[in-house]
Amino acid sequence: NAGVTQTPKFQVLKTGQSMTLQCAQDMNHEYMSWYRQDPGMGLRLIHYSVGAGITDQGEVPNGYNVSRSTTEDFPLRLLSAAPSQTSVYFCASSYAAGGGNTIYFGEGSWLTVV
Amino acid sequence: GDSVTQMEGPVTLSEEAFLTINCTYTATGYPSLFWYVQYPGEGLQLLLKATKADDKGSNKGFEATYRKETTSFHLEKGSVQVSDSAVYFCALSDNNNDMRFGAGTRLTVKP
Repeated sequence: NAGVTQTPKFQVLKTGQSMTLQCAQDMNHEYMSWYRQDPGMGLRLIHYSVGAGITDQGEVPNGYNVSRSTTEDFPLRLLSAAPSQTSVYFCASSYAAGGGNTIYFGEGSWLTVV
Repeated sequence: GDSVTQMEGPVTLSEEAFLTINCTYTATGYPSLFWYVQYPGEGLQLLLKATKADDKGSNKGFEATYRKETTSFHLEKGSVQVSDSAVYFCALSDNNNDMRFGAGTRLTVKP
């Protein structure tokens, strides 16, 4: 059982470049989300989706786009990378949003913007 | 808005020592509370959770009790092992589409 799979694991970008972080889950979860992890700040929610065709902004959405064309996939796009976007990115999924639902995380994508 | 505050680290203990990592929360409703653990180079994994007041979550020797009166969810373990070295995150989730995480506490256990 693969769970939540994200690629790439490591990426170096130049300022102004664009890229997409891929995320896929095989648990038939409706809820998917992207977090960024920065030192001393825990995880902050970037965007989330409660089902195919539905996305919404989280706490820190600026500079990122998402789409949810299928239940399984939830890619995160950086439109024009900035050094402030250097971070570790985690994709996550759960059966449903909120309440006592457990969130399952991917292994993370380390992104450096130079 | 909702938030989580956990004790700053890093925490360094000797093997078999008692562990407490404090976590307090602020929420307008009745959130569910979680502890997640992150081992080096990996994503976060659920360690334990509690969904209502006075519930105790437990797993792998770790425990935490949902205390509504003190808005706390402190993580405890009676005897830590080297393999418990990781970063621990306290988190809360209400009925909205969001989970709030604390800043994380790095634990190092020395043999």
